[in-house]
Amino acid sequence: NAGVTQTPKFQVLKTGQSMTLQCAQDMNHEYMSWYRQDPGMGLRLIHYSVGAGITDQGEVPNGYNVSRSTTEDFPLRLLSAAPSQTSVYFCASSPMVNQPQHFGDGTRLSIL
Amino acid sequence: AQSVTQLDSQVPVFEEAPVELRCNYSSSVSVYLFWYVQYPNQGLQLLLKYLSGSTLVKGINGFEAEFNKSQTSFHLRKPSVHISDTAEYFCAVTLPRSSNDYKLSFGAGTTVTVRA
Repeated sequence: NAGVTQTPKFQVLKTGQSMTLQCAQDMNHEYMSWYRQDPGMGLRLIHYSVGAGITDQGEVPNGYNVSRSTTEDFPLRLLSAAPSQTSVYFCASSPMVNQPQHFGDGTRLSIL
Repeated sequence: AQSVTQLDSQVPVFEEAPVELRCNYSSSVSVYLFWYVQYPNQGLQLLLKYLSGSTLVKGINGFEAEFNKSQTSFHLRKPSVHISDTAEYFCAVTLPRSSNDYKLSFGAGTTVTVRA
């Protein structure tokens, strides 16, 4: 079982560049979400999806886009990278939001 | 308004001593409660969960937590810690927003450092 797979594990970008963080799960989970983790702030929800074709904003959605064309994949797009988006990004999935989340290993993103 | 409050940001503890990590939440209705652990440079793993039933919940690695509805708390405990318990611990709460919609909120985390 692969669980939740995030790629890449590390990335360095220049200000203004765009990129896509990939997230895939093989557990047929309906609920998927993206978080960013910053020191002293815990995990903050960026976007989430309750099923294919359905996405919604979390607490900190500005500067990020998502789509959910399949149950398995939930990519996160940075439209124009800014230094404030330097963070560790985690993708998570679960059968429903009120059940335990399965997390990927994270993507460490630095914006110069 | 903050939904989940972890009262201690850092907890230093000696090996084989007990530890308690405190978590309070803001809700007057039924919730689902979780504790996750994050070891350095890894993702989060589920330690334990409370969905319903007994208020004392046992998890992995000797951890347990007690749900106290009147005090809206879900404190995590371990009677004797090991060096390997050094990690960051997150309390999470699923709060209902409507009859069929929930919001999952995480606390800011508690860093536990176990010393020999």
